[in-house]
Amino acid sequence: GAVVSQHPSRVICKSGTSVKIECRSLDFQATTMFWYRQFPKKSLMLMATSNEGSKATYEQGVEKDKFLINHASLTLSTLTVTSAHPEDSSFYICSAIPDRGRNQPQHFGDGTRLSIL
Amino acid sequence: AQKVTQAQTEISVVEKEDVTLDCVYETRDTTYYLFWYKQPPSGELVFLIRRNSFDEQNEISGRYSWNFQKSTSSFNFTITASQVVDSAVYFCALKVRTAGNKLTFGGGTRVLVKP
Repeated sequence: GAVVSQHPSRVICKSGTSVKIECRSLDFQATTMFWYRQFPKKSLMLMATSNEGSKATYEQGVEKDKFLINHASLTLSTLTVTSAHPEDSSFYICSAIPDRGRNQPQHFGDGTRLSIL
Repeated sequence: AQKVTQAQTEISVVEKEDVTLDCVYETRDTTYYLFWYKQPPSGELVFLIRRNSFDEQNEISGRYSWNFQKSTSSFNFTITASQVVDSAVYFCALKVRTAGNKLTFGGGTRVLVKP
């Protein structure tokens, strides 16, 4: 089945650091990927839709300058949390929709647990 | 706007008991898809099922079954003869055609199966 790889799985870093999270579709091309954020014991909140070759579409309330998204190829989207602070600590999950079969379910990565000290 | 409500935040059962998770959705679109995902403690999301709005047939897959009722806008999920490995958070989600491929998630139901 379709596999989405997310890296790193866990990050612990100091306040003020910028952190990059990668989301790769391993066996399919994905023009569209999504980034979600999940607080402890909460649901998934869509942050943005990542579109290959164009700017990401952010959901209301999500700071574009804080959460930089780059979708430079059909198999890779990156989320950079810039100048991270403790309140950015969360579980970040990406997902991708195969270009061949856009009615398929989204395929999710395993998530990245970000902890800012 | 779309909305998914999972009224049960947490359910605790003893192994071998059946457990039913409720999901109620709201949308004005006539074409939509409903999903269930499982999130075990390790965090990854595991796809369980997808249903489109034109297919009201109930489905059974092993110990899992789903009951889709358009009349009540519900898409309930039952685990029969629960096992400890079923302990996880289960999310119901909705996708409507007019919102592109965005998923709207319910709040999730935490299922704890005790031995």
